[in-house]
Amino acid sequence: EDQVTQSPEALRLQEGESSSLNCSYTVSGLRGLFWYRQDPGKGPEFLFTLYSAGEEKEKERLKATLTKKESFLHITAPKPEDSATYLCAVHGQGGSEKLVFGKGMKLTVNP
Amino acid sequence: DGGITQSPKYLFRKEGQNVTLSCEQNLNHDAMYWYRQDPGQGLRLIYYSQIVNDFQKGDIAEGYSVSREKKESFPLTVTSAQKNPTAFYLCASSIKGRPLSGAGEKLFFGSGTQLSVL
Repeated sequence: EDQVTQSPEALRLQEGESSSLNCSYTVSGLRGLFWYRQDPGKGPEFLFTLYSAGEEKEKERLKATLTKKESFLHITAPKPEDSATYLCAVHGQGGSEKLVFGKGMKLTVNP
Repeated sequence: DGGITQSPKYLFRKEGQNVTLSCEQNLNHDAMYWYRQDPGQGLRLIYYSQIVNDFQKGDIAEGYSVSREKKESFPLTVTSAQKNPTAFYLCASSIKGRPLSGAGEKLFFGSGTQLSVL
């Protein structure tokens, strides 16, 4: 069974203090690993898809990386508007067409 | 602008009542999904549909029902059999239910419906 574990569950940073969020996964053949951002009371917003180990993608202050066991979402010099819950999900080749989501990681960036 | 519209934003259910959550998309996507989100838990799949007039149960389908009569619409009914319906419900879509290339398809989400019990 595909599984996703995100850590830490919550993270509080000062503005400008860089850090990384971890997503560990077990899957029978990775079709894709997805990162989403979710603001309170809203639906998740797509950030990145990673398909194979060694792949990296960047968007503004965010950079996602992928190994065979985990993905990291690096946040460089965060701003208060980066405060949100970040979700990680995997799509495996186990025959199901569904994504498996982690519990999410709530990031708070203080000014 | 293309997107997914969920309504209502807030919904209250009385004991023994069935309620229906609306989900409409104008992205021309084949696949649509319903997820349930509870505090401290990951999104859990309720039902999904890869094509009109066809749908499959997800991990937590008991107490829920869906229909897919039109490509654009995928309403979710929370029946009285669902004893703990209070949650944030999210509708999503993807271009194709079965990726042709084998690569995973990203989901586009609506803004959600918060369902509470009176």
